[in-house]
Amino acid sequence: DTEVTQTPKHLVMGMTNKKSLKCEQHMGHRAMYWYKQKAKKPPELMFVYSYEKLSINESVPSRFSPECPNSSLLNLHLHALQPEDSALYLCASSDHRKSYEQYFGPGTRLTVT
Amino acid sequence: GNSVTQMEGPVTLSEEAFLTINCTYTATGYPSLFWYVQYPGEGLQLLLKATKADDKGSNKGFEATYRKETTSFHLEKGSVQVSDSAVYFCALIGGGSNYKLTFGKGTLLTVNP
Repeated sequence: DTEVTQTPKHLVMGMTNKKSLKCEQHMGHRAMYWYKQKAKKPPELMFVYSYEKLSINESVPSRFSPECPNSSLLNLHLHALQPEDSALYLCASSDHRKSYEQYFGPGTRLTVT
Repeated sequence: GNSVTQMEGPVTLSEEAFLTINCTYTATGYPSLFWYVQYPGEGLQLLLKATKADDKGSNKGFEATYRKETTSFHLEKGSVQVSDSAVYFCALIGGGSNYKLTFGKGTLLTVNP
């Protein structure tokens, strides 16, 4: 099973709202990732968690706040977003102890109004 | 740093035609190479991978061979189907980081019946 699940599938929020995106995997992977993908572009790495600790932050604005409550779950808390933050947000996981391929979830389509 | 260059397309083929999408890379050391596919409205799916020189990755009729001498990882399929219509991303990981996927810009493939 190589499934990564994400909720919600779609999200519309105003610029003053607070919302959260959720990601879950049960493959025993200890690395989890958040990516942002704009239309017709490849995904851009935002954050990496390794063993539930933040390992990489690609200079993401503080209005995006990641959280890794346990080895299976990854959240992305959103606050005071801008319309240009509208995008597809992808979660991924990998077992980087064995190999490096990352498995992606279906994404959350976020629209900021 | 690492980089991936792939033909941008779009590529339009008739059903049962032969497909080649070129991908070349720049990286230090011995990266792992991947092809991901993204169907409309979905996340990325790992299509195939190769981890060392001369490895051939294959899946669902698609193949790609890790060519270190030409730093290439071209994707091929002998007979495409309408259901293969998607965006294809060439990617690599390595060269000092086990977490950062470097993507090409993606190639949109449309297969007509």
